[in-house]
Amino acid sequence: AQSVAQPEDQVNVAEGNPLTVKCTYSVSGNPYLFWYVQYPNRGLQFLLKYITGDNLVKGSYGFEAEFNKSQTSFHLKKPSALVSDSALYFCAVRDPLGNTPLVFGKGTRLSVIA
Amino acid sequence: NAGVTQTPKFRILKIGQSMTLQCTQDMNHNYMYWYRQDPGMGLKLIYYSVGAGITDKGEVPNGYNVSRSTTEDFPLRLELAAPSQTSVYFCASSYGLRSDYGYTFGSGTRLTVV
Repeated sequence: AQSVAQPEDQVNVAEGNPLTVKCTYSVSGNPYLFWYVQYPNRGLQFLLKYITGDNLVKGSYGFEAEFNKSQTSFHLKKPSALVSDSALYFCAVRDPLGNTPLVFGKGTRLSVIA
Repeated sequence: NAGVTQTPKFRILKIGQSMTLQCTQDMNHNYMYWYRQDPGMGLKLIYYSVGAGITDKGEVPNGYNVSRSTTEDFPLRLELAAPSQTSVYFCASSYGLRSDYGYTFGSGTRLTVV
């Protein structure tokens, strides 16, 4: 069965500093990996995805994520955080060998402090 | 383009009451999903549908029912509401189970059972 873990409930970072939100996964084959963001009282919005190809994936709002197969990780990064990046971030995984929907992590709340 | 529309946005139910959470999408997506979001627990899949007339259980289906009579609509039914069903419910849709098409989420229904 596929699963994803987000080890941090909360990440605090000062505005202008780099940020990292961690995600590790478990699937039987090569994973499809995703990051979604949720702003208050809103649904989830797609940020970026890794399907195949370059391990560094660039997405919306200046975010990027690095796929590391040996460490089974897909950490979300941004070089310079903005206060408006404060939100709840979800990592999600799907095993392409199966025929099941996305499995989401429990989410990490990012707080960017001015 | 409305995307995925959920109604109502908020609802308070008494224990034992029933209700239907409505979800409709106008993107001609074949696949639709219901997730519930609980604090610190991430998103859990309740039911999903791969097309009109076809539904399947997710991780937490107990206490819920669904139907998919049209491509556009995927209502979620609670027959005997329980306090454990207090949650935020999200409907989503996609072109296929292959997640590289991306999921589009509705803005959610916040349900409280008292």
